[in-house]
Amino acid sequence: AQKITQTQPGMFVQEKEAVTLDCTYDTSDQSYGLFWYKQPSSGEMIFLIYQGSYDEQNATEGRYSLNFQKARKSANLVISASQLGDSAMYFCAMSHYGGSQGNLIFGKGTKLSVKP
Amino acid sequence: DVKVTQSSRYLVKRTGEKVFLECVQDMDHENMFWYRQDPGLGLRLIYFSYDVKMKEKGDIPEGYSVSREKKERFSLILESASTNQTSMYLCASSLFGAKGNTIYFGEGSWLTVV
Repeated sequence: AQKITQTQPGMFVQEKEAVTLDCTYDTSDQSYGLFWYKQPSSGEMIFLIYQGSYDEQNATEGRYSLNFQKARKSANLVISASQLGDSAMYFCAMSHYGGSQGNLIFGKGTKLSVKP
Repeated sequence: DVKVTQSSRYLVKRTGEKVFLECVQDMDHENMFWYRQDPGLGLRLIYFSYDVKMKEKGDIPEGYSVSREKKERFSLILESASTNQTSMYLCASSLFGAKGNTIYFGEGSWLTVV
């Protein structure tokens, strides 16, 4: 069965420092996608970054990068130069291409708090 | 700009009431999804739909049903609301077969059952 594990329920980071949020996954699929979402207290899910299982390069989107280690089945999110507005819940998720995009399996989330 | 709209953001209902949560998307997406989010549990899939009048059970369908009479609208129905259905409900839509980020979420509906 597919599974996403986020082992850090909560994390603190100093403003302007970098932070890594951990995500490991388990799947027997060869083709899959990995996502990170940010959820502020307002509740909306904000897409941050996507990595396809066949993508050789790590994905980057502005201050976000995804450290994809396929053999280890890990997909850690790195946020560089943290800002106060980065304080939120962060979810790692996985989908498989064989099914329809949107049928996602989520981790339990990591609550990130950025300290001034 | 793409949009998934959940008509009710905050609802308070009584135990035993029938509750409708409505979701509309304007992107002509084939797929629509209902998730439930609870603290410490992340998001869990309740039901999804690949096409009009089609529905598939997700991981936690018990106590819920859905309706998709039109492509743009996907309704979640709680036939007889119970207190353990107090939660945040998120609707999403996506394009069938596409890769990458084609998944769009609504802003969420906070339901309290008293």
